[in-house]
Amino acid sequence: DAKTTQPPSMDCAEGRAANLPCNHSTISGNEYVYWYRQIHSQGPQYIIHGLKNNETNEMASLIITEDRKSSTLILPHATLRDTAVYYCIVRVAGNTGKLIFGQGTTLQVKP
Amino acid sequence: GAGVSQSPRYKVAKRGQDVALRCDPISGHVSLFWYQQALGQGPEFLTYFQNEAQLDKSGLPSDRFFAERPEGSVSTLKIQRTQQEDSAVYLCASSPLAGGNYNEQFFGPGTRLTVL
Repeated sequence: DAKTTQPPSMDCAEGRAANLPCNHSTISGNEYVYWYRQIHSQGPQYIIHGLKNNETNEMASLIITEDRKSSTLILPHATLRDTAVYYCIVRVAGNTGKLIFGQGTTLQVKP
Repeated sequence: GAGVSQSPRYKVAKRGQDVALRCDPISGHVSLFWYQQALGQGPEFLTYFQNEAQLDKSGLPSDRFFAERPEGSVSTLKIQRTQQEDSAVYLCASSPLAGGNYNEQFFGPGTRLTVL
């Protein structure tokens, strides 16, 4: 599975969009990009995933560059409850499904 | 609806004791994963079950770690002769499909193990 690089921390003002970048320059054609987040003292929570196209759900949007070497998770209107560690994970379809977590980005949403 | 539950939520063990950590996955979920999360780190994969079959145990750190899922539902992670470096949060996750297919993993709250 490809390695990912994320900034260790970011701040965002409440109500503003939070844009969390992820670099995955060694990604292969059959590898998906997943985002999970972990709120303090809880288990990780799935947010969104994609292969090539941009994706949107009720939680967030995922923008993947055309060369697929990087992506951005967008929380359109961040709230204090979005304060968490956000993990960008690249996974090959067809393996056991195990997730390889990195260090993630700690997002602090401030009032 | 019921999510993934784990018990106990907190466990304190003396070095050398054996511990057993339980995971109740979401009913009907085929896949079950165990992860270990040290303080300040991301979770690390330990082992994977598809129904009752343990298909991947490549992440188990030593032969002191043993996991089972005998009836394809509840799983137990057992750690023998605990050491201080085993102190961590142990997370269980389940998903409805077999691991090779895309699937969202649903995580439990974890068991925090402290070895004194």
